[in-house]
Amino acid sequence: RKEVEQDPGPFNVPEGATVAFNCTYSNSASQSFFWYRQDCRKEPKLLMSVYSSGNEDGRFTAQLNRASQYISLLIRDSKLSDSATYLCVVRSPPGNTPLVFGKGTRLSVIA
Amino acid sequence: DGGITQSPKYLFRKEGQNVTLSCEQNLNHDAMYWYRQDPGQGLRLIYYSQIVNDFQKGDIAEGYSVSREKKESFPLTVTSAQKNPTAFYLCASSFRQGLDGYTFGSGTRLTVV
Repeated sequence: RKEVEQDPGPFNVPEGATVAFNCTYSNSASQSFFWYRQDCRKEPKLLMSVYSSGNEDGRFTAQLNRASQYISLLIRDSKLSDSATYLCVVRSPPGNTPLVFGKGTRLSVIA
Repeated sequence: DGGITQSPKYLFRKEGQNVTLSCEQNLNHDAMYWYRQDPGQGLRLIYYSQIVNDFQKGDIAEGYSVSREKKESFPLTVTSAQKNPTAFYLCASSFRQGLDGYTFGSGTRLTVV
């Protein structure tokens, strides 16, 4: 089983739609979780950290389910500018090991 | 402004040549990382360094070498032993525990000609 797994997509959604991405991780002792966004031929950029209690930043909501080893990202009211690849990122113990990146889920928001 | 700079943006290498990719950061980050990304693929860890004069191999270190003589700099050499070097190379940095995630440079696109 891969350490971090994501549905590769692509997800093609109309503007204004709500879209959800899911991610599973294999190491139950994983400690830190992030969502990154990567535009075509660009570097990944941190979108948001994922906290146990769930967290929201504007139209974006991230949730963590430790029991199921599952992370989600919800985007509401999709904009054309949300089109990108979304990377699920996990840190496994010990605390200073490098982050492990999922392969990403590609989103295309269509006018 | 603080940031992480990779150069060059594009690099062409002839078969059998070694090339060195530059990565410099002025964020006062302790740790630095090199990842490789192939089309449609995820990021794969090549090498990382958590303190000066120390570094560890990642998942795909064969055919690559690094040095960490200064906190700000973590150059990557792609040697002729790397059989498929054409890829997008990303350098990142973080504080030691990386609790806030990584900051990435804008990448170097290496092509073998």
